[in-house]
Amino acid sequence: GDSVTQMEGPVTLSEEAFLTINCTYTATGYPSLFWYVQYPGEGLQLLLKATKADDKGSNKGFEATYRKETTSFHLEKGSVQVSDSAVYFCALSGLGADKLIFGTGTRLQVFP
Amino acid sequence: DADVTQTPRNRITKTGKRIMLECSQTKGHDRMYWYRQDPGLGLRLIYYSFDVKDINKGEISDGYSVSRQAQAKFSLSLESAIPNQTALYFCATSDLGLAGDYNEQFFGPGTRLTVL
Repeated sequence: GDSVTQMEGPVTLSEEAFLTINCTYTATGYPSLFWYVQYPGEGLQLLLKATKADDKGSNKGFEATYRKETTSFHLEKGSVQVSDSAVYFCALSGLGADKLIFGTGTRLQVFP
Repeated sequence: DADVTQTPRNRITKTGKRIMLECSQTKGHDRMYWYRQDPGLGLRLIYYSFDVKDINKGEISDGYSVSRQAQAKFSLSLESAIPNQTALYFCATSDLGLAGDYNEQFFGPGTRLTVL
């Protein structure tokens, strides 16, 4: 079945460092891909998405490119801030677009 | 006011008790979902509903039941709570995109449930 694999955390960085969080997927057909972010004590919120191959999603300085050839959707940011500390979830929409399949989440900790 | 609300926000109960978690939304979405979040396991889908007359099991529905009382309300029940149901529970809503494809989900703030 469809699945999402994320790198394990926590990822610990200093402020202004470059961030990469890896995400790969297995899916039937051509799913849409998402990154959600969960700040402490809150629910998840959509960070960015891409709906077809080679699309780049971007928001708040974060970017991810839908790579069909490597079945990947890695999240990147050029310069992280302390306020980016959160848990990041990669997800895909299953066949039939009826539900999301989430990865296990990657905790990011950014220190001043 | 929040678009997706959950009550209660925290609950401590004992093994064998019946518990109901409630979710309400003001987004006008037809689709609603219940997830549980456990450390290292991410979010797992318990049940989902595409309209008032439609209820579907997710990947971990055993031990849970749901009720879609109205378009705006979707409740999750634990008929006889057990300790391994201790988790963070999230409700979410969504609607189809204009092209009939998948649209983003909007999450409530979560309910932290502890079963002793």
